[in-house]
Amino acid sequence: SAVISQKPSRDICQRGTSLTIQCQVDSQVTMMFWYRQQPGQSLTLIATANQGSEATYESGFVIDKFPISRPNLTFSTLTVSNMSPEDSSIYLCSVGGPYAEAFFGQGTRLTVV
Amino acid sequence: DQQVKQNSPSLSVQEGRISILNCDYTNSMFDYFLWYKKYPAEGPTFLISISSIKDKNEDGRFTVFLNKSAKHLSLHIVPSQPGDSAVYFCAASGNNDMRFGAGTRLTVKP
Repeated sequence: SAVISQKPSRDICQRGTSLTIQCQVDSQVTMMFWYRQQPGQSLTLIATANQGSEATYESGFVIDKFPISRPNLTFSTLTVSNMSPEDSSIYLCSVGGPYAEAFFGQGTRLTVV
Repeated sequence: DQQVKQNSPSLSVQEGRISILNCDYTNSMFDYFLWYKKYPAEGPTFLISISSIKDKNEDGRFTVFLNKSAKHLSLHIVPSQPGDSAVYFCAASGNNDMRFGAGTRLTVKP
């Protein structure tokens, strides 16, 4: 199992600004995953963060908008850049899966005004 | 491109009765399926899974059924308890990829 501490739990931000979300895992993991859940939508994978290499982004997500850091095997950050109201979502980090259970942080509820 | 669909955004049942949550998928490459439960202000937590080689997996009050020909799975909760009130996500995995449904909000009334 894995315990993930994610922060902040929520934030209200002005459009045009950036927010960095942090995730700390209690064990070393090779891959960490960042998801977004827009209101009424499914969890959508943004990118996979590998330690020591560039993150791999899913279709529709770009590094300039969602830069990711992975400085070691227990920590990762996701930045939501130049925010607009459309970025209002819940952002989740995760480890594990897809053929075993995935473990999630508690999520960051972002509201952009 | 919604490969995993949960067509019922909400479900309300009486305590003690059965809750049935449904999930459909479109991609035949999916061969492993999972259900997660999410309480407010918490991340999803794993509930139960099933491999495509099985059609049923049971864990206490929770049973997942898989119908591969229909590309359909369901989660049965018997008996339902008020503490089961949460959002339930189904997920489908295949080819090192995992996709989630949009979730069904279950309310169990005392």
